[in-house]
Order: sequence, then C-alpha cells, then structure tokens
Amino acid sequence: AQSVTQLDSQVPVFEEAPVELRCNYSSSVSVYLFWYVQYPNQGLQLLLKYLSGSTLVKGINGFEAEFNKSQTSFHLRKPSVHISDTAEYFCAVTSRNRDDKIIFGKGTRLHILP
Amino acid sequence: EPEVTQTPSHQVTQMGQEVILRCVPISNHLYFYWYRQILGQKVEFLVSFYNNEISEKSEIFDDQFSVERPDGSNFTLKIRSTKLEDSAMYFCAKGGPPGGGNEQFFGPGTRLTVL
Repeated sequence: AQSVTQLDSQVPVFEEAPVELRCNYSSSVSVYLFWYVQYPNQGLQLLLKYLSGSTLVKGINGFEAEFNKSQTSFHLRKPSVHISDTAEYFCAVTSRNRDDKIIFGKGTRLHILP
Repeated sequence: EPEVTQTPSHQVTQMGQEVILRCVPISNHLYFYWYRQILGQKVEFLVSFYNNEISEKSEIFDDQFSVERPDGSNFTLKIRSTKLEDSAMYFCAKGGPPGGGNEQFFGPGTRLTVL
C-alpha cells in the first residue's frame, strides 16, 4: 500500500519569493511520483512527474521537484512565484506495478501575498 | 489533449435519492477513473474502468455505486441511494494503460450535496 503526506495544509508566500511545498511518501513497492495543481473551479492538472532517470524534474509554469529516495520525499519548488500560482497543489503516487489508481496527498493551498 | 467535461457542476439531492454524474464527451480513450474528495480531505480513488468493465475498485465503491459507458462516449457514475456522507466533489479522469506512469486528465468535478 502507498500513502502520501503533505504536512503543510496552507503556505503563504510573497509574490516573487521562492516557495517549497513538501511531500513525503510511503510505499512497499516502487512508485511513480506526481504533482498535480488545481486552480479555482478547475480540474486537477499535471504539473510534473518522476518516472526514472534524473532525480530533478522540471514541469510547467517554472516548477520543479526533486526525488529523494533515501528520504522518500518529492518536494516541489519554484524560485519566484506569481499571483497566478494561487492554487491547491497535490502530491501523488502510483505503483509501478499494474495498479493504475493515483494515491493523493491532502493537498497544500498556496497563497500568494502581494 | 481535449478537456474532460463533467455535468452537472453542482448537484443537490435528498438523502435516499439516486444521482447520476456524467463525464461528457469522451472519445478515443479506453481507461476511465472516478475519484472523490470530501471537503477538507484528500482526493480518493473510487474505481477504474477499462474496455467496458471495472478494472479495480476501492473499498469505498460499495454496492450503492455503479459505473457504465452507456453510449460509447459518456461515462457515468451512479449512486443508487445517496447518504449524507456521499457529499463530496467527484472527479472523472481519463488516462492511458496502467503501470506506465501515464498522466490522468481530470474533469472540473461535480460537487454533490446530499441533504
């Protein structure tokens, strides 16, 4: 079984400041890792994903995340946030086996302060 | 990728009533999923559907729930007799074959309120 922990339910950050959203996972099998974003009144949209290879993955809108196997973490970062980044961010995993379901974290709401 | 659309955007129903939530339109995809998010909680997997059959379902997906693809495009989730605890946001998604880390494309969701 897999689980995902996002310790921060809300993160306020000033515009143009850097941000890191934390994600830790637990799994008895190898997993793929994802970050999804949900803008107000919209569906979930993929930001980036880690399948294999380089542990630093780059996604849309200037976001990146680093897979750390020893710490079972997949933290999301952006060097300079914009007001348009206001959204809910979900870390997620799927098993590398036949499983297709996504296991989500509870989400982190990013508040951009002017 | 074309969008996944869902109707209605908001459904209010009385406890014990049947509701049908729809994904429209969907074409050229074989793998579909339903998830739900109770307010303040995490997004939870309900069921996956492949080639007109349930591929996997969670413990949440009990006998009150059913899914079908009645006309080859719409993908529906039916709750036969709604309970208060069914109030949640329900997301439909489409995706590729399982096990490959494929992206799932989500609809905007249907907010179900059971009174």
